[in-house]
Amino acid sequence: RKEVEQDPGPFNVPEGATVAFNCTYSNSASQSFFWYRQDCRKEPKLLMSVYSSGNEDGRFTAQLNRASQYISLLIRDSKLSDSATYLCVVNRGTNAGKSTFGDGTTLTVKP
Amino acid sequence: DGGITQSPKYLFRKEGQNVTLSCEQNLNHDAMYWYRQDPGQGLRLIYYSQIVNDFQKGDIAEGYSVSREKKESFPLTVTSAQKNPTAFYLCASSPPYPGTGGYTFGSGTRLTVV
Repeated sequence: RKEVEQDPGPFNVPEGATVAFNCTYSNSASQSFFWYRQDCRKEPKLLMSVYSSGNEDGRFTAQLNRASQYISLLIRDSKLSDSATYLCVVNRGTNAGKSTFGDGTTLTVKP
Repeated sequence: DGGITQSPKYLFRKEGQNVTLSCEQNLNHDAMYWYRQDPGQGLRLIYYSQIVNDFQKGDIAEGYSVSREKKESFPLTVTSAQKNPTAFYLCASSPPYPGTGGYTFGSGTRLTVV
């Protein structure tokens, strides 16, 4: 079993739809969590951190469920520009070298 | 503007050849990393460095070497011992504790064996 697992998709949704991705992790001692966005053939860029209390940034909401060991990303009112691959990152500690990246979930938003 | 610069953008390597990928940052970050990404997969850690003149192996260090002589620079050499080097290579940097703030990535180098 992989340490971090994501549904690869692809998720194909119409503009305006609400879509959610999950990311499960196996190490219960994991300490911090992030979502990154990666456009085709580009570098990943930090989308948002994930806090225990949940956090929201405009149309994006991230949540953490420690009991079930997963994080989620909810995108409301999808835009064409949201089409990308979304990577979750799980950190086993705060120090360098402790991060594990998921394989990513691909989202395509269609007109 | 601060950021990370990787060069070259595209690199072609012949069998048995060593090649070096450049990574420079002006973010004043202490930690730097090299990741490899294969199609449809996540990032895998090759090497990382938390301070100058010190670095540690990641999960897939075999066939690679690095140096950290300056805070701003962290070059990666892909040696002939790396049997399947074709991939997208990403350099990243972070504050000392990336678990609190995440990574900044360069735009990557695509390496192809010809």
